[in-house]
Amino acid sequence: DGGITQSPKYLFRKEGQNVTLSCEQNLNHDAMYWYRQDPGQGLRLIYYSQIVNDFQKGDIAEGYSVSREKKESFPLTVTSAQKNPTAFYLCASRTSGNTEAFFGQGTRLTVV
Amino acid sequence: SQQGEEDPQALSIQEGENATMNCSYKTSINNLQWYRQNSGRGLVHLILIRSNEREKHSGRLRVTLDTSKKSSSLLITASRAADTASYFCATDGSGNTPLVFGKGTRLSVIA
Repeated sequence: DGGITQSPKYLFRKEGQNVTLSCEQNLNHDAMYWYRQDPGQGLRLIYYSQIVNDFQKGDIAEGYSVSREKKESFPLTVTSAQKNPTAFYLCASRTSGNTEAFFGQGTRLTVV
Repeated sequence: SQQGEEDPQALSIQEGENATMNCSYKTSINNLQWYRQNSGRGLVHLILIRSNEREKHSGRLRVTLDTSKKSSSLLITASRAADTASYFCATDGSGNTPLVFGKGTRLSVIA
């Protein structure tokens, strides 16, 4: 089945720790995105990639890093520099601009 | 930056009634999309309307777009309890810019 998979579903981070959220798609999509969602809020763009080996910062990139070494994969690292990382993280992909986006099921990150 | 602003923030209706949600945006767009999110889940695409279209239908969904007022509305007819979810509008600008989402409308349909 084609789709986009995020893992893990739940993640706990200790203070000062880096954690990496996985996002994999088998839809052959060029573009991939990471959004952050806080309770009762909309989606804010963290990073996006239009093509392999290239990515751009979104509105709230500070404290996050990404890589795009393969078309299928776009992992997000939440670094210790992100002071308020507790949120719901959503990964999405689409063929290109002006098309519908497909979302993963999300990763809920909690700082403990 | 959040482009779209949904209204109302929350809406509660009885099963069988129609639900209308509105979205306003600030800059010119190529298309506007509506998505649905069940609690704690990812978003699911509902419908895309292009800037040169005024109205689009998909099953019980009807979307309108008024580019002169920079606004769109989503109408869900004959609502069901299963329609309970948050609904987001998202705008696509020119080129390959990412989708920009609003804050969403929380819809509760009471059986």
